[in-house]
Amino acid sequence: EDQVTQSPEALRLQEGESSSLNCSYTVSGLRGLFWYRQDPGKGPEFLFTLYSAGEEKEKERLKATLTKKESFLHITAPKPEDSATYLCAVQASGGGTSYGKLTFGQGTILTVHP
Amino acid sequence: EAQVTQNPRYLITVTGKKLTVTCSQNMNHEYMSWYRQDPGLGLRQIYYSMNVEVTDKGDVPEGYKVSRKEKRNFPLILESPSPNQTSLYFCASSFRGGVETQYFGPGTRLLVL
Repeated sequence: EDQVTQSPEALRLQEGESSSLNCSYTVSGLRGLFWYRQDPGKGPEFLFTLYSAGEEKEKERLKATLTKKESFLHITAPKPEDSATYLCAVQASGGGTSYGKLTFGQGTILTVHP
Repeated sequence: EAQVTQNPRYLITVTGKKLTVTCSQNMNHEYMSWYRQDPGLGLRQIYYSMNVEVTDKGDVPEGYKVSRKEKRNFPLILESPSPNQTSLYFCASSFRGGVETQYFGPGTRLLVL
């Protein structure tokens, strides 16, 4: 069974204080790992897809990295508008229609104080 | 505007009264999926559909039904809702599923009394 665990559950930062969110996963062959951002009362919004260990992707103050067991979302010099819940999800490499299955972690609630 | 729409956005019902939550996308996506989100449990996949007339169970399909008769629509049916189905529901779509970006709807908040 695919499993995704995110830590910490909640993270409070001061504006400009860089940090990282962790996503540990167990999957029988990784097809892709996704990061989403979710604002209160809204649906998740796509940030990144990572496919293989060693891959990195960046977008503004966010940088996602991937190893064979975990992914990190690094936030550099965060601003209050970065406050949101960050979700990690994995898709296993399987046959047939099984690659439509997506497993999410429970999310990390990030709060950035001015 | 490319989007995924859900209706209703908020619903209060009673145990056992059948209900349907509609989901529609205007992006000609083949893949659609339903999730529920509960505090501390994150998003859990209920059902997904790779294409018209093709549906598969996710991690928590019990108590739910789906149908995909048209490409753009993917309704979620609760034949006999129970209080443990009180949750926030999201519909999502992507071009073909797989590792492609999923676009999420705004969510439907359901309360079953």
